[in-house]
Amino acid sequence: AQSVTQPDIHITVSEGASLELRCNYSYGATPYLFWYVQSPGQGLQLLLKYFSGDTLVQGIKGFEAEFKRSQSSFNLRKPSVHWSDAAEYFCAVGAREGFQKLVFGTGTRLLVSP
Amino acid sequence: NAGVTQTPKFQVLKTGQSMTLQCAQDMNHEYMSWYRQDPGMGLRLIHYSVGAGITDQGEVPNGYNVSRSTTEDFPLRLLSAAPSQTSVYFCASSPLLGSYEQYFGPGTRLTVT
Repeated sequence: AQSVTQPDIHITVSEGASLELRCNYSYGATPYLFWYVQSPGQGLQLLLKYFSGDTLVQGIKGFEAEFKRSQSSFNLRKPSVHWSDAAEYFCAVGAREGFQKLVFGTGTRLLVSP
Repeated sequence: NAGVTQTPKFQVLKTGQSMTLQCAQDMNHEYMSWYRQDPGMGLRLIHYSVGAGITDQGEVPNGYNVSRSTTEDFPLRLLSAAPSQTSVYFCASSPLLGSYEQYFGPGTRLTVT
């Protein structure tokens, strides 16, 4: 079974600074990988996803993530953070067999300081 | 399209009461699922369905029932509420083939006293 680790519970970044949120997964083959964002009091919104091909994927809101097979990682990055990016971010992994079942990490809460 | 809708937004129950959380989607998605979100634990899958009449258990199914009589609706029933079921519940849907992108509802915050 697949699993996901997000080692950082909270991260604080200054507005305009770069951001990297870490995600490590465990799965026997190449999984499907996702990043979701949850604003306070809201549901989850998909930021980006990796299925195959180019290991650097672009998402919405200026986010990108890089799949590194050798490190079992799928870290999320943004070159310049805006105050509106303050939210909770979830990495998720989906098995290539079975039906759509995603396993989510425990989330990283991003705080943006002025 | 309204997307995925959930009702109610908030609910307080006493231990032992039963209730149904409603979930509906208007995107004709075959796949629907229920998650619970607890602090420090991320989202955990409770039950899911790959089409009308087909449901299966997820990671934490105990204390919950589901049924899927139509493509649009996927209600979650709490049979006898317990304080351990205090959580935020999210319903999600996606097409069965292709994108794997799950569309989430706004959530229901449930407190069991």
